[in-house]
Amino acid sequence: TQLLEQSPQFLSIQEGENLTVYCNSSSVFSSLQWYRQEPGEGPVLLVTVVTGGEVKKLKRLTFQFGDARKDSSLHITAAQPGDTGLYLCAGKTGANNLFFGTGTRLTVIP
Amino acid sequence: ETGVTQTPRHLVMGMTNKKSLKCEQHLGHNAMYWYKQSAKKPLELMFVYNFKEQTENNSVPSRFSPECPNSSHLFLHLHTLQPEDSALYLCASSQEGVRGGVETQYFGPGTRLLVL
Repeated sequence: TQLLEQSPQFLSIQEGENLTVYCNSSSVFSSLQWYRQEPGEGPVLLVTVVTGGEVKKLKRLTFQFGDARKDSSLHITAAQPGDTGLYLCAGKTGANNLFFGTGTRLTVIP
Repeated sequence: ETGVTQTPRHLVMGMTNKKSLKCEQHLGHNAMYWYKQSAKKPLELMFVYNFKEQTENNSVPSRFSPECPNSSHLFLHLHTLQPEDSALYLCASSQEGVRGGVETQYFGPGTRLLVL
């Protein structure tokens, strides 16, 4: 089982602040995805990165895939209460199954 | 109905009960999954069905029994569960194509299960 460690595990910040969430593994992944899960809902895909060193921007969210394809980061600029949720990274190896990270629970305080 | 639906949304059962969780996807996908989400563990893949054939069974105890009668429906039959089986059970679907491709999994809202 490929283990993806996310840090921090919990994060509570004020509205307007910036933050970065990390996803690290000793395994190499062919692709990596980030999901957000809100209470009472299933995870929803935010982005997929496939190339080492790739950077993708989604409005205030910036995702980066490490050069060695073992790690990834999610940076949120000017966080808003609507960003509150559980952020999950998930890596895919050569097979089609996803291995999920330990999760970061973000709370943005108005 | 759109997307992936799951019923029931909440379930409380005793250790001697038998119950079933239902998942239905309205996306025309060919693969469906059961995941277990516990408070202190990463999301764990339990079963994978691709084209109605079970392709993965990640060492799940036999008290969990999946059934996939067609590509749109997936069941998880539960019997003689233990309190540690209490968790959120999530169903997902995707359109699988080339091996190693980057398909998106669409998740249902989950069934919150409590075993007493």
